Amino acid sequence: AQKVTQAQTEISVVEKEDVTLDCVYETRDTTYYLFWYKQPPSGELVFLIRRNSFDEQNEISGRYSWNFQKSTSSFNFTITASQVVDSAVYFCALSETGANNLFFGTGTRLTVIP
Amino acid sequence: DTGVSQDPRHKITKRGQNVTFRCDPISEHNRLYWYRQTLGQGPEFLTYFQNEAQLEKSRLLSDRFSAERPKGSFSTLEIQRTEQGDSAMYLCASSPESGGETQYFGPGTRLLVL
Repeated sequence: AQKVTQAQTEISVVEKEDVTLDCVYETRDTTYYLFWYKQPPSGELVFLIRRNSFDEQNEISGRYSWNFQKSTSSFNFTITASQVVDSAVYFCALSETGANNLFFGTGTRLTVIP
Repeated sequence: DTGVSQDPRHKITKRGQNVTFRCDPISEHNRLYWYRQTLGQGPEFLTYFQNEAQLEKSRLLSDRFSAERPKGSFSTLEIQRTEQGDSAMYLCASSPESGGETQYFGPGTRLLVL
């Protein structure tokens, strides 16, 4: 059975601090995809990244970086030099081979304090 | 704007009434998904269409729920005899194909059943 755990329910940081959001997943598939989405107060889910299970390279996009480790079934997300606009709920999601749906974690609410 | 659009953005209804939501996917996407998100939770999969065919429905989609995508373009989600437990955000997403392709979400329809 698939499972996505985001143990951090809420995180608060002061602007310019770095913050890491944790995601741990469970799946029996050897081929799967992992995603991160951002949900600002407006409600729309904004796609951030997709990672194939065969690609363990870390990725950096501006202030965002992702650390994928199959050995620990984790796909963590780091925001460097956080800004107030980063305040949102962040969701990690899993898609298994042949599945048509995304399976989401419960999200982490990030508040960046000016 | 060529993103996923949903209408209405907000709906307040009385228990027992029927409601219908509309989703317009990204034009070149043949896959369309509906999710439901309750407060403090991640989105949960309801159903998915490939073109006009509804190929999967989750157990969450009770008999009071029906979804259509008559011409393989826009989709509607109808809830009959609404209950207070139906209050949630209903999210629509589209993708060019399944199997891990990124799903792009619309702004959602927030339903409140009084």
